[in-house]
Amino acid sequence: QSALTQPPSASGSPGQSVTISCTGTSSDVGGNNYVSWYQQYPGKAPKLLIYEVNKRPSGVPDRFSGSKSGNTASLTVSGLQAEDEADYYCSSYAGNNNYVFGTGTKVTVL
Amino acid sequence: QVQLVESGGGVVQPGGSLRLSCAASGFTFSSHAMYWVRQAPGKGLEWLAVISSDGSHKYYADSVKGRFTVSRDNSRNTLYLQMNSLRPEDTAVSFCAKEGRPGSFDSWGHGTLVTVSS
Repeated sequence: QSALTQPPSASGSPGQSVTISCTGTSSDVGGNNYVSWYQQYPGKAPKLLIYEVNKRPSGVPDRFSGSKSGNTASLTVSGLQAEDEADYYCSSYAGNNNYVFGTGTKVTVL
Repeated sequence: QVQLVESGGGVVQPGGSLRLSCAASGFTFSSHAMYWVRQAPGKGLEWLAVISSDGSHKYYADSVKGRFTVSRDNSRNTLYLQMNSLRPEDTAVSFCAKEGRPGSFDSWGHGTLVTVSS
């Protein structure tokens, strides 16, 4: 199972928006709505931000939103804040009880 | 609140074995599937294995199939990962994670470092 493709980096100034893409195949991202997104600070555990493409767990700010079109999912962070500087990973169910993560994107707040 | 605490990591020679544990608290452990995910130094996340809530179903990534075995003891609220035939490329921080809504991992432990080196 190949990792989902994400851009290595993304950046924006405080208050701006940044969108991260996550490209897979019809066997994973395009084949179901079990796409999730995670935020990870260096040396820390990942934190769930988005599940089922566009749903937010309680406590996650509504600045974080998810969407999907075909084999590509996206995470948008609106109103960027300094604390949003982190690594972001997508994940998808890949069928046959397998799961796959994205390659990860480092977000920098300029 | 949910707490997951991994242990058992360390340094092992190629070909060796390690058993990781993940102690769970703050939720009904026996009602949730559990996962193992790893992260090589400076690299991304890699899903390794999933075990159903009652332990009857187990699935593995191709990279560890036949070498790693996931298990659980619901009476002890503990998840395990038996890692055999370890290779240098297995060097990583291993996290346990709790099943959230379908396809998501809603709580994670802090991770335990496995280093495979001679």
